[in-house]
Amino acid sequence: AQSVAQPEDQVNVAEGNPLTVKCTYSVSGNPYLFWYVQYPNRGLQFLLKYITGDNLVKGSYGFEAEFNKSQTSFHLKKPSALVSDSALYFCAVRDIRGNTPLVFGKGTRLSVIA
Amino acid sequence: EPEVTQTPSHQVTQMGQEVILRCVPISNHLYFYWYRQILGQKVEFLVSFYNNEISEKSEIFDDQFSVERPDGSNFTLKIRSTKLEDSAMYFCASEDRYTGELFFGEGSRLTVL
Repeated sequence: AQSVAQPEDQVNVAEGNPLTVKCTYSVSGNPYLFWYVQYPNRGLQFLLKYITGDNLVKGSYGFEAEFNKSQTSFHLKKPSALVSDSALYFCAVRDIRGNTPLVFGKGTRLSVIA
Repeated sequence: EPEVTQTPSHQVTQMGQEVILRCVPISNHLYFYWYRQILGQKVEFLVSFYNNEISEKSEIFDDQFSVERPDGSNFTLKIRSTKLEDSAMYFCASEDRYTGELFFGEGSRLTVL
């Protein structure tokens, strides 16, 4: 069975500083990995994905994530945080094999302080 | 840009009532999903649907829940007899099979009193 762990419930960072939101995963085969962002009272908005290829993936709004197979991690990063980045961030994984559903982590609330 | 649309955005119902949540997936997508999120918490998989039948369902998706695609456009989630604990945000998603990406609607907030 596949699973995702987001070890931090909350991440606080000052505006302009780099941010990291952590994610580790577990799948039987090779993973598809995703990050979604949720703003208050809104749906889930796609940020970026790793399917195959370069381990460093660039996505929307200046976010990037690095796939690390040996550490089974897919941490979300941004070099310089903005107040508008404050939101709930979800990491998600699915197994490449078969029609397995996308499984989400519990989410990490990012708060960027001006 | 094509998008997944969901109606209603918010529904308030009495415990024991039937509720139908509607979704219009992206037109050329073939795989559809329902997820549930209770009060800004974890997003939980409910059911996946392909070729007019359920592909997979979670433990949450018990006999009170059903899905169908009645007219080739809408994809509906029905809760036969709502319970207080069904109060949540329900998200519909459709999948781009080439990229594996799921596109989510804005959600339907269900409040059961």
